[in-house]
Amino acid sequence: AQSVTQLGSHVSVSEGALVLLRCNYSSSVPPYLFWYVQYPNQGLQLLLKYTSAATLVKGINGFEAEFKKSETSFHLTKPSAHMSDAAEYFCAVSELTSFQKLVFGTGTRLLVSP
Amino acid sequence: EPEVTQTPSHQVTQMGQEVILRCVPISNHLYFYWYRQILGQKVEFLVSFYNNEISEKSEIFDDQFSVERPDGSNFTLKIRSTKLEDSAMYFCASRGSQGEKLFFGSGTQLSVL
Repeated sequence: AQSVTQLGSHVSVSEGALVLLRCNYSSSVPPYLFWYVQYPNQGLQLLLKYTSAATLVKGINGFEAEFKKSETSFHLTKPSAHMSDAAEYFCAVSELTSFQKLVFGTGTRLLVSP
Repeated sequence: EPEVTQTPSHQVTQMGQEVILRCVPISNHLYFYWYRQILGQKVEFLVSFYNNEISEKSEIFDDQFSVERPDGSNFTLKIRSTKLEDSAMYFCASRGSQGEKLFFGSGTQLSVL
């Protein structure tokens, strides 16, 4: 069965600092990997996805993630945090051969202080 | 960008009552999903729906749950007899035939009292 583990339920950074949100996956088949963001009182919005093409994936709002098969990781980064980045971030995995469902991690709440 | 629309945004019901959560997926999408998120927990897959039938469901999706696409635009989730533990945010999602990107609605917060 597929799963993802997000280390740290909360991450706090200062505005302008590097953002690093960690995600490790487990999958018996080549995975598709996703990062979603949830702003307060809103739905889930896709930030970026890995679908077996380039291992470094660029997404919206300056975020990027690197797929590292040897480490089974797909960490999300942003060089410089902005106050508007404060939100809940979810890593998710689905099977390469099926888009039938996403398996989500428990989420990481990003807090950005001035 | 096109949106998935969910109504109502909040629903309060008494335990044992039936509820219907409504979703309008993006118009040319063919695959439909329901997920839920219990407060403080991860987002969980409930069910996927394609070609007017369930294509996959989780163990959460028991006989108390059903889904329907009653017309060409709506996609509903019915809970026949709600339990306290059904309290959660329910998200509808849809995707097209060519892409792997799911578009999520903003959710319905269901509170069972």
